[in-house]
Amino acid sequence: QKEVEQNSGPLSVPEGAIASLNCTYSDRGSQSFFWYRQYSGKSPELIMSIYSNGDKEDGRFTAQLNKASQYVSLLIRDSQPSDSATYLCAVNVGGTSYGKLTFGQGTILTVHP
Amino acid sequence: NAGVTQTPKFQVLKTGQSMTLQCAQDMNHNSMYWYRQDPGMGLRLIYYSASEGTTDKGEVPNGYNVSRLNKREFSLRLESAAPSQTSVYFCASSGTGGGFSNQPQHFGDGTRLSIL
Repeated sequence: QKEVEQNSGPLSVPEGAIASLNCTYSDRGSQSFFWYRQYSGKSPELIMSIYSNGDKEDGRFTAQLNKASQYVSLLIRDSQPSDSATYLCAVNVGGTSYGKLTFGQGTILTVHP
Repeated sequence: NAGVTQTPKFQVLKTGQSMTLQCAQDMNHNSMYWYRQDPGMGLRLIYYSASEGTTDKGEVPNGYNVSRLNKREFSLRLESAAPSQTSVYFCASSGTGGGFSNQPQHFGDGTRLSIL
């Protein structure tokens, strides 16, 4: 089992719909969780961080964390074509205090007009 | 506000040549990282430096060496380049959070390296 796994893609949604991206992790000691967006040919860009169980909202983005079930998800409401990118889930596997992260393989999202 | 700066942005090497990728951050971060990204493989950690003066191996360290020159700079060296090292290389940095709450990593623009 991979330490961090993301739902297989690619994911295609129509403009205005909700895109749901999921990520599971293997280590129950993990404490910090991040979602990055990566446009083709560009570097990863942080869009959300979450540390506590529950939901965290930032504009059209909502991150959801469930430590008991070991999953973290990202919802994108009112999806726009500009949201088309690869989304990376990152987890501090092992709960290290110096920021070392393990990344999932990424989910490609396409939002079509 | 530069953030994390990587040089060069592109490089083509011949097998067996050596080179050093440079990375500098201006965010006063303690921790720095080097990743490689290959199609279908996601981001894989090569080496990291939790703080100035320390370095540790990541998931794929073979064929690489690193130097944490000071708090700002963290370089990655390929001593004898191989075609398998053709990849996009990203440098990242992060601050130190309280307790076990990690601060997020911030990435440079990457170096696209081709080895013939």
